[in-house]
Amino acid sequence: SAVISQKPSRDICQRGTSLTIQCQVDSQVTMMFWYRQQPGQSLTLIATANQGSEATYESGFVIDKFPISRPNLTFSTLTVSNMSPEDSSIYLCSALTPFSRPYNEQFFGPGTRLTVL
Amino acid sequence: DAKTTQPPSMDCAEGRAANLPCNHSTISGNEYVYWYRQIHSQGPQYIIHGLKNNETNEMASLIITEDRKSSTLILPHATLRDTAVYYCIVRVAQGASGSRLTFGEGTQLTVNP
Repeated sequence: SAVISQKPSRDICQRGTSLTIQCQVDSQVTMMFWYRQQPGQSLTLIATANQGSEATYESGFVIDKFPISRPNLTFSTLTVSNMSPEDSSIYLCSALTPFSRPYNEQFFGPGTRLTVL
Repeated sequence: DAKTTQPPSMDCAEGRAANLPCNHSTISGNEYVYWYRQIHSQGPQYIIHGLKNNETNEMASLIITEDRKSSTLILPHATLRDTAVYYCIVRVAQGASGSRLTFGEGTQLTVNP
């Protein structure tokens, strides 16, 4: 299995500022993803973090608002830029690994709980 | 990815089997059925997946109908720790184009003592 950690676990930020969330996996993975979960809602995929190239964003999410980096096979960051209260959510990092059982399992981090005032 | 339909909530008595249904009538031949669950304040956790055969692991059983248009996740002996939101997701194989998990609303399962 893959163990995913995220930093910070939670934060309270002022509107107009930016926050960078880090995601670290304990093994090399093929694909990494970032999700958002608004209060009381299901998970929404923000983007796929591609190693060595620009992230692939889902409809409704743009690079200027959610820049993503993935410098290697075990690490990724998501920045929430120019924050507003509507960005208050849990942000989750996820990864796919082809090497561990069960095959096709997608692992999730514990999430970063963001509150924007 | 095919859309899934699940009941918003279900209750189950502790020690009894919990049967969670999912409809996926537009599933394609190359799409798998996945089940994940999310316990409160945690990230989602993989449970089981299958293509067309029934599957069983240490956590649960997955029953897929012959036409693949619906499935049922079975927790054989539910415990209080199984209280969670259960997500049924259909997805193409890992590595294939579009092979990412798209979450619906899921079913809130509450296991009662």
